[in-house]
Amino acid sequence: SQTIHQWPATLVQPVGSPLSLECTVEGTSNPNLYWYRQAAGRGLQLLFYSVGIGQISSEVPQNLSASRPQDRQFILSSKKLLLSDSGFYLCAWSIERTDTQYFGPGTRLTVL
Amino acid sequence: EDKVVQSPLSLVVHEGDTVTLNCSYEVTNFRSLLWYKQEKKAPTFLFMLTSSGIEKKSGRLSSILDKKELFSILNITATQTGDSAIYLCAVRAHWGAQKLVFGQGTRLTINP
Repeated sequence: SQTIHQWPATLVQPVGSPLSLECTVEGTSNPNLYWYRQAAGRGLQLLFYSVGIGQISSEVPQNLSASRPQDRQFILSSKKLLLSDSGFYLCAWSIERTDTQYFGPGTRLTVL
Repeated sequence: EDKVVQSPLSLVVHEGDTVTLNCSYEVTNFRSLLWYKQEKKAPTFLFMLTSSGIEKKSGRLSSILDKKELFSILNITATQTGDSAIYLCAVRAHWGAQKLVFGQGTRLTINP
């Protein structure tokens, strides 16, 4: 069966510090991968998605970036965090040609 | 721009009540509508709807789609405290990769 992991679960970072969040999927090959952010009490905002290694599409211009160095690994990064980057970050995966996305446990990021 | 709107944003009921959550959408080239339940962390998949008028059912939860009026409802009968969660609606369009557009969610609280 498929499993999706995210770490860390919780992170507190100062403004201006770098960020690296990691997501890995097990039990499937060539998944589509997604990064979402959820602000408090809000829905999910799609940040990036990837259909393959090295293929990244950005949905929202901001100071975040994403990379996919391996088939089942998706990384969300920032060189300098802003206060507005605080939120709940969710990674998700789906199988090509299917609509259902499955979510990881999320990382709660607080920027102070 | 594709849009998904959920109502109400917040709902508080007593255990045993029946609730109806609403989701309306404006999407070019609609393909599917999905419902998720989010408790503490990761949203978990409930239903995917693609055809009008066909009810999907799982235990006390059911959902139906109206593609003419562009909305879906999620019903929960005989509510329990474990049904307390944020319920998210998302829509997938035919274009591009498998991107989902999410509504802002309905926060449901079931009081004993």
